[in-house]
Amino acid sequence: QITLKESGPTLVKPTQTLTLTCTFSGFSLSTSGVGVGWIRQPPGKALEWLALIYWDDDKRYSPSLKSRLTITKDTSKNQVVLTMTNMDPVDTATYYCAHRRYYDSSGYPFDPWGQGTLVTVSS
Amino acid sequence: QSALTQPASVSGSPGQSITISCTGTSSDVGGYNYVSWYQQHPGKAPKLMIYDVSNRPSGVSNRFSGSKSGNTASLTISGLQAEDEADYYCSSYTSSSTPYVFGTGTKVTVL
Repeated sequence: QITLKESGPTLVKPTQTLTLTCTFSGFSLSTSGVGVGWIRQPPGKALEWLALIYWDDDKRYSPSLKSRLTITKDTSKNQVVLTMTNMDPVDTATYYCAHRRYYDSSGYPFDPWGQGTLVTVSS
Repeated sequence: QSALTQPASVSGSPGQSITISCTGTSSDVGGYNYVSWYQQHPGKAPKLMIYDVSNRPSGVSNRFSGSKSGNTASLTISGLQAEDEADYYCSSYTSSSTPYVFGTGTKVTVL
């Protein structure tokens, strides 16, 4: 059974850097084809894909946020870390990490997702 | 990379069928058979309902089906039930450099 859980601060100040950790179980990020992504959702708004890291340490970022995002992995700890610099109140959102389904899919959807963590940006 | 376009809301009575559209471009929905659909109940994480246009993960009811024509994908819910009331999001592969784009979301209301 694959599970993921996000952790990190619930409140950050404007201009600060956000660091979120996704701790997972049920798969290994050293297995070919595996990936973990980050997606966020502002209150009452739509989902927005942020970043993805692959088993081979290849990384992809949303073009609109690429300059502010860094995604890394620690295979030994079964963790993926997302950092976002220069936080702004518009970045207030629930941040999700999710497993990239690869074993029976060509489109690699996200399945399953973590429970999400709400991050509020306010002074 | 613009969000895929979905109707803001769709409603139906119990037992009816409804269809949610997801419109993109030839660079995403129209270019690949890699459309996914997610269901999200209030305060919960999204759940994968359909992947690769029309495939259902194990455990998802066969009342949910997906299709695609040109740049528009569709999710159909047949035999609508109260538990289907939720937000639904489509997603599509776009390119190897930016592999994911989500839709604007649709709120489904069971009357």
